[in-house]
Amino acid sequence: QKEVEQNSGPLSVPEGAIASLNCTYSDRGSQSFFWYRQYSGKSPELIMSIYSNGDKEDGRFTAQLNKASQYVSLLIRDSQPSDSATYLCAVMNSGYSTLTFGKGTMLLVSP
Amino acid sequence: DVKVTQSSRYLVKRTGEKVFLECVQDMDHENMFWYRQDPGLGLRLIYFSYDVKMKEKGDIPEGYSVSREKKERFSLILESASTNQTSMYLCASRQQRQPQHFGDGTRLSIL
Repeated sequence: QKEVEQNSGPLSVPEGAIASLNCTYSDRGSQSFFWYRQYSGKSPELIMSIYSNGDKEDGRFTAQLNKASQYVSLLIRDSQPSDSATYLCAVMNSGYSTLTFGKGTMLLVSP
Repeated sequence: DVKVTQSSRYLVKRTGEKVFLECVQDMDHENMFWYRQDPGLGLRLIYFSYDVKMKEKGDIPEGYSVSREKKERFSLILESASTNQTSMYLCASRQQRQPQHFGDGTRLSIL
């Protein structure tokens, strides 16, 4: 059974701080990794994808991938209250057929 | 932008009814997916399809069936609705090896 693990949180950070969200996965053959943001009552929205080891930056978001450690993370700089949501880590299974999702980490950014 | 449209945002049905949930995408995507999302259980894959008239079981197919007669449309069918199928249902689509995009979701209540 392929697994993706995330801390459920909530992770609480003050406005302007860096939020760090982490994810580990079990499928060593995985090549594609995604972060989705989900506001309460809404559907998941793709915010980052990463395919190679290292860092990928997009605005205030940085995704980090370490395939040897089977670890993916998402950093959110200058966190805003509007970033308060659940963040889902998703890993594309080897064979490129389906995604396995973690259960998500709830982030709370206080003003 | 990718547009995945689910036919209903909210739906209330009675136990034993046959229920149809419809999903349409406008990007000529090959792959389409149906998930349900429940508190504490995360996103769970019900069925997916990688081509017209093709379908594959996901992690929790029992009590469900699907239909894909046209590339843009993927239907989820609850053969005889039961109260334990009350959930948020999410449709997603993607091109092979690309991130998947979700519809707005259908919150289904079975009474």
